[in-house]
Amino acid sequence: DSGVTQTPKHLITATGQRVTLRCSPRSGDLSVYWYQQSLDQGLQFLIQYYNGEERAKGNILERFSAQQFPDLHSELNLSSLELGDSALYFCASSSPLSTWDRLYGYTFGSGTRLTVV
Amino acid sequence: AQTVTQSQPEMSVQEAETVTLSCTYDTSENNYYLFWYKQPPSRQMILVIRQEAYKQQNATENRFSVNFQKAAKSFSLKISDSQLGDTAMYFCAFMKQYNAGNMLTFGGGTRLMVKP
Repeated sequence: DSGVTQTPKHLITATGQRVTLRCSPRSGDLSVYWYQQSLDQGLQFLIQYYNGEERAKGNILERFSAQQFPDLHSELNLSSLELGDSALYFCASSSPLSTWDRLYGYTFGSGTRLTVV
Repeated sequence: AQTVTQSQPEMSVQEAETVTLSCTYDTSENNYYLFWYKQPPSRQMILVIRQEAYKQQNATENRFSVNFQKAAKSFSLKISDSQLGDTAMYFCAFMKQYNAGNMLTFGGGTRLMVKP
């Protein structure tokens, strides 16, 4: 167990629907990052939150949004889903300037596999 | 912005042989960290090895070692005595630390197949 918890592990939904992916960061980590990995592709950075505030934005579609709550868990909301949104969505957490991150990089969750049918 | 490039989409190697995966990056930073992650079919992201940019000595972890060329912005991964369990996607990643967090930028990945 990496300490980063993502739920659900698998999600199957229809086109046009809306889903919410949840991430609980490792204890003490203030930053949460969301990445999208389409089939056989690299990890594309979507968005970062730090202590409740959005800090960095990557290639995130307008149909997608995220937030980080006071207890530091984060949710990624995907709406008007399309077939192309089928992917593995990773959450990762870190702490600024932490020794752990310098040694190990991010702490990754096990991902949520989203299938849009 | 940092970019990371892995020029080999797929590679294969015979079991027990040695293989080298390439990675180049582009940055104007002087202090940063480089990582290789392994992603087996389970899709879990597993850290293989890391390198601090301020260290000239190349990192080594058992059968895994890197060739870090800072001036050339190159960070290749060498796997010695390849094993079937090394079959996976391998991602090179660049990390810059800043006050609000650490930003990891990934390359596109290299799919490695170890053949018996």
